[in-house]
Amino acid sequence: QEQLMQSGAEVKTPGSSVKVSCKASGGTFRYYAFSWVRQAPGQGLEWMGGIIPVVDTINYAQKFQDRVTISADVSTSTTYMELSSLRSEDTAVYYCARVLVGPTREFDIWGQGTLVTVSS
Amino acid sequence: HLVVTQSPSASASLGASVKLTCTLSSGHIDYAIAWHQQQPEKGPRYLMKVYNDGSHRKGDGIPDRFSGSSSGAERYLTISSLQSEDEADYYCQTWGTDVQVFGGGTKLTVL
Repeated sequence: QEQLMQSGAEVKTPGSSVKVSCKASGGTFRYYAFSWVRQAPGQGLEWMGGIIPVVDTINYAQKFQDRVTISADVSTSTTYMELSSLRSEDTAVYYCARVLVGPTREFDIWGQGTLVTVSS
Repeated sequence: HLVVTQSPSASASLGASVKLTCTLSSGHIDYAIAWHQQQPEKGPRYLMKVYNDGSHRKGDGIPDRFSGSSSGAERYLTISSLQSEDEADYYCQTWGTDVQVFGGGTKLTVL
């Protein structure tokens, strides 16, 4: 069964960085793209950026492009999202999602989410 | 500027049907979209994609009660024979060149 397994919850202090991982299993990693989406408490879904690992193409949402780094390791079928200069407003659940590469680019599989809490 | 708009809330009775709407911005009315369900305290789950011609393709294991359709700039998610577990937030998603966009979500209450 294809699934995405994310790393565990994190507690960070303001100004620090966090790196969340997302390991794909059961499918062919190189055929897909992957995106990162966050959800602040009580809020909707917000796209942060995405990567096509096989060609190492990366795109970021304008809001995050100065602070986020998305990467992938094809050998371990894992994608990463690192967010720097954390502030309290970054407290959220962070999701990875698999994206079809083709005429349509829907998110067809989601990770379970990683809670990142930013607090002094 | 690619935007998708959803009503914040909807409600319907147990066993009834409900139709949720996602509206594409001007200049993007031929775009396909995807619907995702997020039950309380859970992560999102992919339901289906809906094309501008009204056809749809569901994800694995999505019940027949869920269907999609389209009219102009609007994309719809219809849920029939509503069950208590259908009470959730529903998000539409679309994509442009190097960008992904979510609607604000519709909170569905099953009465």
